[in-house]
Amino acid sequence: AQSVSQHNHHVILSEAASLELGCNYSYGGTVNLFWYVQYPGQHLQLLLKYFSGDPLVKGIKGFEAEFIKSKFSFNLRKPSVQWSDTAEYFCAVNARYSSASKIIFGSGTRLSIRP
Amino acid sequence: GAGVSQSPSNKVTEKGKDVELRCDPISGHTALYWYRQSLGQGLEFLIYFQGNSAPDKSGLPSDRFSAERTGGSVSTLTIQRTQQEDSAVYLCASSQRPGQANTEAFFGQGTRLTVV
Repeated sequence: AQSVSQHNHHVILSEAASLELGCNYSYGGTVNLFWYVQYPGQHLQLLLKYFSGDPLVKGIKGFEAEFIKSKFSFNLRKPSVQWSDTAEYFCAVNARYSSASKIIFGSGTRLSIRP
Repeated sequence: GAGVSQSPSNKVTEKGKDVELRCDPISGHTALYWYRQSLGQGLEFLIYFQGNSAPDKSGLPSDRFSAERTGGSVSTLTIQRTQQEDSAVYLCASSQRPGQANTEAFFGQGTRLTVV
């Protein structure tokens, strides 16, 4: 069965700091990987996704994530955060080639940016 | 509609009453998910419907919880004899072509359930 671990429960940064949020998954086969974001008072929306190809994927608002297959990781990064990045971030995984495979989410990382 | 629609957006109920939460997925999406989001608890998987297959109910926390999906479209999550610990935001999501590439889930705005 798939599972997702997000090691940072709450991250506090100052504006312009660099960000890296960790995500590890457990599944031996081919996977689809996602990062979702939930801004305060809003619904979950897709930040970026990886299906195949270049393991470095770029998403909206300057975010990027790198898929490292050997480490079963899909860490989210942003070189310089803004106050508006304050939100909760969720990593998710879905096994490829199985219609019975549901999308599993990590427990989330709350990001607080000090202005 | 263009997105996943959930109703009601807010529901306050008395402990012990039954509630029904509705989800209208994006047209053509074969997969439908229910998740629960409690304060500080992340996203808890509840149930997954995919086409005509038997639903994956492995996340339902107790037999007070049930869900159905009629005609492969609209889904209803029912909570019987609600308890205060059921208070949470219930999220519905849908996706197409599960198990293949491009299977991202699209979320509704959620139903905030408060049991008093």
